[in-house]
Amino acid sequence: DAGVTQSPTHLIKTRGQQVTLRCSPISGHKSVSWYQQVLGQGPQFIFQYYEKEERGRGNFPDRFSARQFPNYSSELNVNALLLGDSALYLCASSSPGLAGTETQYFGPGTRLLVL
Amino acid sequence: SQKIEQNSEALNIQEGKTATLTCNYTNYSPAYLQWYRQDPGRGPVFLLLIRENEKEKRKERLKVTFDTTLKQSLFHITASQPADSATYLCALESEEYGNKLVFGAGTILRVKS
Repeated sequence: DAGVTQSPTHLIKTRGQQVTLRCSPISGHKSVSWYQQVLGQGPQFIFQYYEKEERGRGNFPDRFSARQFPNYSSELNVNALLLGDSALYLCASSSPGLAGTETQYFGPGTRLLVL
Repeated sequence: SQKIEQNSEALNIQEGKTATLTCNYTNYSPAYLQWYRQDPGRGPVFLLLIRENEKEKRKERLKVTFDTTLKQSLFHITASQPADSATYLCALESEEYGNKLVFGAGTILRVKS
């Protein structure tokens, strides 16, 4: 079975531009989460979607938005890019288990560089 | 303030020895704690999950302990191998914060042959 897939793998943008990142979850997983990972740090939670509805949002500005489609794939959009948005963007899918346990299955990430 | 702290220094050990990684947290009351492995340029890979009412969990050469009084989890790799070299991340799920996963910065483990 295919794991979580993300596209593109790498992206270079300039300040002020907008970017859209895409994610396809593991088949059967209905929850998708997005994380930002800056070099030397752990992943930081941005959004979680479950059944096409936003289930959680981290401490990120409104320039960050996301959505989930009927096939459970997801897009992360970032507007008005800043140099500080340069990071590895990780998508993770999960299948809620007992008592809310949600192991995250991560994709390979999209490396975004903002110049 | 809330903090998750992992060994900031890389851990260098000899092949065959036991590696012990530490995860300390403050101002969280996690229902679960998870450990992930991350190789350079790749996404994290889930290793183990331990619940607040479990003191220890094992999987092959891996062992995790969880002490909610000390607010600490220890992650052990026995009979370590060079292939175990990676960054190991701990992550907390806290009901207080909508069950979102909060990660530590990770500890780099290097196993030398």
